[in-house]
This record gives sequence, C-alpha cells and structure tokens, in this order.
Amino acid sequence: ETGVTQTPRHLVMGMTNKKSLKCEQHLGHNAMYWYKQSAKKPLELMFVYNFKEQTENNSVPSRFSPECPNSSHLFLHLHTLQPEDSALYLCASSLTGAPYNEQFFGPGTRLTVL
Amino acid sequence: TQLLEQSPQFLSIQEGENLTVYCNSSSVFSSLQWYRQEPGEGPVLLVTVVTGGEVKKLKRLTFQFGDARKDSSLHITAAQPGDTGLYLCAGAPGANNLFFGTGTRLTVIP
Repeated sequence: ETGVTQTPRHLVMGMTNKKSLKCEQHLGHNAMYWYKQSAKKPLELMFVYNFKEQTENNSVPSRFSPECPNSSHLFLHLHTLQPEDSALYLCASSLTGAPYNEQFFGPGTRLTVL
Repeated sequence: TQLLEQSPQFLSIQEGENLTVYCNSSSVFSSLQWYRQEPGEGPVLLVTVVTGGEVKKLKRLTFQFGDARKDSSLHITAAQPGDTGLYLCAGAPGANNLFFGTGTRLTVIP
C-alpha cells in the first residue's frame, strides 16, 4: 500500500459503543494528525503527534482518545460519542522539518453516531 | 485561531467557463497551500506558494499569493467536469500547523 490509509471507511455506532479508527502512513513521515470535517465548518485540527509524542490537543473532548504507537500508525479511540460527533474524520501525515508542512491525507472515515 | 475566508462558498458553472476562487485572511502566512477534495476522499495537495506576489501555474490552474502574504487566489481556465470538488486553502504561519479555509465547493456541469 502507498500513501495514507484509513480504516474503516464507514462506521455507524451507538452512543454507548466503543470503537477505534486506524490510520497508517507509508511515506516515511514522522508527524501525524487527526482532523474532523463537518458540513458547513472548516477542517478542524484535533490532535498532532510528532515522533510519537502528542504536541497538540485542540480542546478535544475526552470521549476522543488518540494513540500513536509509532511514527507510522495513529489511532483514534471513540467512546460514548454524541450525534453531533458524526463527521468525516481525516488522518494526515507530514515530514517534520520540511519547509512548508505539506500534509498528505487519507481518504477518511465517515462516522455516524446514532 | 487564524481564520481564512474563502469565496464564493459554492460555485456552479458550465464546462469551458473560467472561474476564480479567493482565500482571504487578516493574518500573514509564511506559505499557503491549495488542496482539492473529491467526494469520498481526503484533500490532495495541489500547490504551495511561499513568496509574496508569487504566481504558479499547474496546467489550467493559476495560483497567486498576495504581496502581503495574507491572501491568495486560484483561477481555473476552461473548467472541466474533472475539476469538480471542494477547494481548500491552508495557511502556515510558521513551520508547524496549518489553518484551513472555509472551502469553495465547485461543480462543473458538462
């Protein structure tokens, strides 16, 4: 596989469920990001990891819990979500130290919370 | 938060027409990127502009960075149905995170 992959592509869950989103990058990058994309809102940065260390948490509710075991993998653990959390969740990666922080995105996970 | 406003929000044109999309901010950015996102996919980087006044061309797409590095425009000549998508600008205030614009959803009708 090449680029940035995300699984699952679609997820429907109830408010009491626990699920996880997975992201994997095959680009040799060392920074990874989670974004939330909702209708009528700009892309919202959620979390940033550099060399497996979390460097940014953009005031995200604790029902979203990220995990970055290595520079190639990123997870987003979900529990007791709300219907307003329904959105497209995008993962991206970039090369720390590259001049312009150009980011490469995965195809996203379309999440629906019932 | 550094807000990037894009206009228009929606644009529907006939194949063969020209169009311009704008990205404006009150903040200065060291670089600005344009992405295109097709339905069901993530954004794909089109171009990065870094110098005030810079103009870059990518086939029928022309990107310009404002002299003050606060705004940018994307001009498409002779639009084609394959240009349909969500166009996002993203500003980098420094070497770290990106701030994404509000987006312009373009539909090119055959």
